[in-house]
Amino acid sequence: EAEVAQSPRYKITEKSQAVAFWCDPISGHATLYWYRQILGQGPELLVQFQDESVVDDSQLPKDRFSAERLKGVDSTLKIQPAELGDSAMYLCASMTESTTEAFFGQGTRLTVV
Amino acid sequence: SQQGEEDPQALSIQEGENATMNCSYKTSINNLQWYRQNSGRGLVHLILIRSNEREKHSGRLRVTLDTSKKSSSLLITASRAADTASYFCATVPSGAGSYQLTFGKGTKLSVIP
Repeated sequence: EAEVAQSPRYKITEKSQAVAFWCDPISGHATLYWYRQILGQGPELLVQFQDESVVDDSQLPKDRFSAERLKGVDSTLKIQPAELGDSAMYLCASMTESTTEAFFGQGTRLTVV
Repeated sequence: SQQGEEDPQALSIQEGENATMNCSYKTSINNLQWYRQNSGRGLVHLILIRSNEREKHSGRLRVTLDTSKKSSSLLITASRAADTASYFCATVPSGAGSYQLTFGKGTKLSVIP
């Protein structure tokens, strides 16, 4: 069964360092999302791609976060510099427009120390 | 920002009982979806109900949608210990070509064996 792949699963970094997360969506899914989920809360959308184009990045802290999906397939989310408040689960999901059902990866648990 | 509000925030029941969770949302929708998240993992899609549907069933799950009240409920019948998880509603807004998926804050369900 096709899955959304994310790496790494866990990341510990010191504040002010750079960190990057990678996501490979299900083949053929044009829509890709990055969400941030703080413990005990729901996922909050950071950025949404349609193929290689950004559709919505209104909640992305652009002074430190960047995201790209250069060939419209896999995607990278970067934080530079990391802050203590960035500690959270970062979830990637992809969607097929025919069903609008989203498929999630296992997430990257980021701890900033 | 989060579209939905789930109620209750936490629910604890005995195995075999039914569990009901509610979701309210703010804007017009194309569909509403329910997802499940086991601790520390990604989200898994459970069921989708379109704006022109009032009720939908899938196995032990029953979802209702009241667009006039902008609310939905998820009923899990004959609960099992394995149903212990957090449950989130998510909405896709109405409007052609919009695939933004916005989540609520979730209900944490504990099923006691």
